[in-house]
Amino acid sequence: GDSVTQMEGPVTLSEEAFLTINCTYTATGYPSLFWYVQYPGEGLQLLLKATKADDKGSNKGFEATYRKETTSFHLEKGSVQVSDSAVYFCALSPSSGTYKYIFGTGTRLKVLA
Amino acid sequence: DADVTQTPRNRITKTGKRIMLECSQTKGHDRMYWYRQDPGLGLRLIYYSFDVKDINKGEISDGYSVSRQAQAKFSLSLESAIPNQTALYFCATSAGGGTDTQYFGPGTRLTVL
Repeated sequence: GDSVTQMEGPVTLSEEAFLTINCTYTATGYPSLFWYVQYPGEGLQLLLKATKADDKGSNKGFEATYRKETTSFHLEKGSVQVSDSAVYFCALSPSSGTYKYIFGTGTRLKVLA
Repeated sequence: DADVTQTPRNRITKTGKRIMLECSQTKGHDRMYWYRQDPGLGLRLIYYSFDVKDINKGEISDGYSVSRQAQAKFSLSLESAIPNQTALYFCATSAGGGTDTQYFGPGTRLTVL
């Protein structure tokens, strides 16, 4: 079945460091791919998404490119801030157009000043 | 005001008690979802509803029931709570479609003693 695998955390970085959080997926066809972010004490909110191969989603300095050949959707940011500290979830929505989201287990990011 | 609200935000209860978690949304979406979040497991779908008359089980529905009282309201019940139902519960809504973005409530932290 469909699945999402993302790197385990926690990831601890200094402010202004480069961030990569790896995400790979298994799915038939062309799923839509998402990154959600969960700040402390809050629900998940959409960070970015990509709906077809080679699409790049971007928001708030974060980027991720839909790579069909490597079945990946890695999240990157060139310079992290303390305010980026949160849990990041990779997710997919199957190409069959059903309701179902498949979430990864989440990666906790801690940015130190 | 928040688009998706959940009540209560925190609840401590005892084994065997009946608990209801409530969710309301003002986004006008037809689709609503209940998820459970556990450390290291990500989000798992409990139930989902595509409209008032359409309710479906997710991957972990045992021990839970739901009620869709209106388009805007979707409640989750634990008929007889047990300690392994201690978790963070999220309600979410979406408009539908293959690139569907889900909008999450702030979560309810439930502890079953």
